Amino acid sequence: GQQVMQIPQYQHVQEGEDFTTYCNSSTTLSNIQWYKQRPGGHPVFLIQLVKSGEVKKQKRLTFQFGEAKKNSSLHITATQTTDVGTYFCAGPGGLTGGGNKLTFGTGTQLKVEL
Amino acid sequence: KAGVTQTPRYLIKTRGQQVTLSCSPISGHRSVSWYQQTPGQGLQFLFEYFSETQRNKGNFPGRFSGRQFSNSRSEMNVSTLELGDSALYLCASSPADSRTDTQYFGPGTRLTVL
Repeated sequence: GQQVMQIPQYQHVQEGEDFTTYCNSSTTLSNIQWYKQRPGGHPVFLIQLVKSGEVKKQKRLTFQFGEAKKNSSLHITATQTTDVGTYFCAGPGGLTGGGNKLTFGTGTQLKVEL
Repeated sequence: KAGVTQTPRYLIKTRGQQVTLSCSPISGHRSVSWYQQTPGQGLQFLFEYFSETQRNKGNFPGRFSGRQFSNSRSEMNVSTLELGDSALYLCASSPADSRTDTQYFGPGTRLTVL
């Protein structure tokens, strides 16, 4: 079945440093979504990328979808303590007939130290 | 609009018992998906319901079942609980019949099986 891997699994950074997490799918994706889960919280949608090579920015966050639509990355510039959490990528893995079924990546846990 | 709500938030059961978890989606959302989150396996898709019909199913044993009511509220049931069923069970709703829909997650039900 479809597998979505993320690296690294953990990342500790000093506040102000940059952070990047990489997502790789075993299959081509029609789109990729990114979610953030704060400690003790639930996943919260960040963004969706649909086009090959697409790049989207949200303030200090930059999201990229690979040309082959099998990989993606999330880059955070100048991390802040509010960035702490686990970042998941997710791709649709439902039946060809449609429906909502997300295959989540393994996640990258980010810790930011002052 | 109110967000996705899940009840109960915490539950403690013993092996062999059964449990029913409830999810109320965002008003107007017709798709409800269930996910299991554990430290070892990450976020795994259980099943999705749309218009009272199961539309997608993950790779979980038949002990895990669900249903959706005409008002889109959903329940999931786990019978003959095992220690390994201890997890955070997340419900997510989305508005329409599309593979690109954002998933809006509820706060989850933390199930502990003793």
